[in-house]
Amino acid sequence: EVQLVESGGGLVQPGRSLKLSCAASGFTFSNYYMAWVRQAPKKGLEWVATISTSGSRTYYPDSVKGRFTISRDNAKSSLYLQMNSLKSEDTATYYCASQPGPRAFFDYWGQGVMVTVSS
Amino acid sequence: NIVLTQSPATLSVTPGESVSLSCRASQSISTSIHWYQQKSNESPRLLIKYASQSISGIPSRFSGSGSGTDFTLSINRVESEDFSIYYCQQSYSSLLTFGSGTKLEIK
Repeated sequence: EVQLVESGGGLVQPGRSLKLSCAASGFTFSNYYMAWVRQAPKKGLEWVATISTSGSRTYYPDSVKGRFTISRDNAKSSLYLQMNSLKSEDTATYYCASQPGPRAFFDYWGQGVMVTVSS
Repeated sequence: NIVLTQSPATLSVTPGESVSLSCRASQSISTSIHWYQQKSNESPRLLIKYASQSISGIPSRFSGSGSGTDFTLSINRVESEDFSIYYCQQSYSSLLTFGSGTKLEIK
């Protein structure tokens, strides 16, 4: 059974940093692109970042480019999201998700982790 | 960025009715559209990929159609467990985007 378990969320002040983690199991992690998708309270879904199988290629929307960094450790079947210079508009539930490729759908999702940016 | 417009925002139906949800893209995206269901307080779940391709484990009452700019998610005979929010997502561009969602509610 595929499992994606996020951790590392919490309350953080504007301008500070936070790092999210996602532990994967039940599939060959190194064969999949991986992504982060977020959802602000009572709002829709927003793609945040994607990383290639080896970690050599990354993709971001303009809203987080330069502030967020996605990375992975295939030996540990783990995905990460380093979030710097956080803003109040980054407040959201962050989901870890698997992708078969960079321009594709999200087939498996974690349960999500809440990040609140507030003073 | 490719903008996806979903309509209606809310759809009120009686269980047993059949419904169609619309997703329109701001430019032609071939069949690079995918549909998700999100129940209250749950993670999204993939329902349909590439406009019409079925997903293992998803009930056959869910189907998708369309190409270019206009896409439809159809639910044949809505069941009580189907009342949730539905999102479309495009993968034509490497800048992936989602529609704003359609909430399917009980009339």
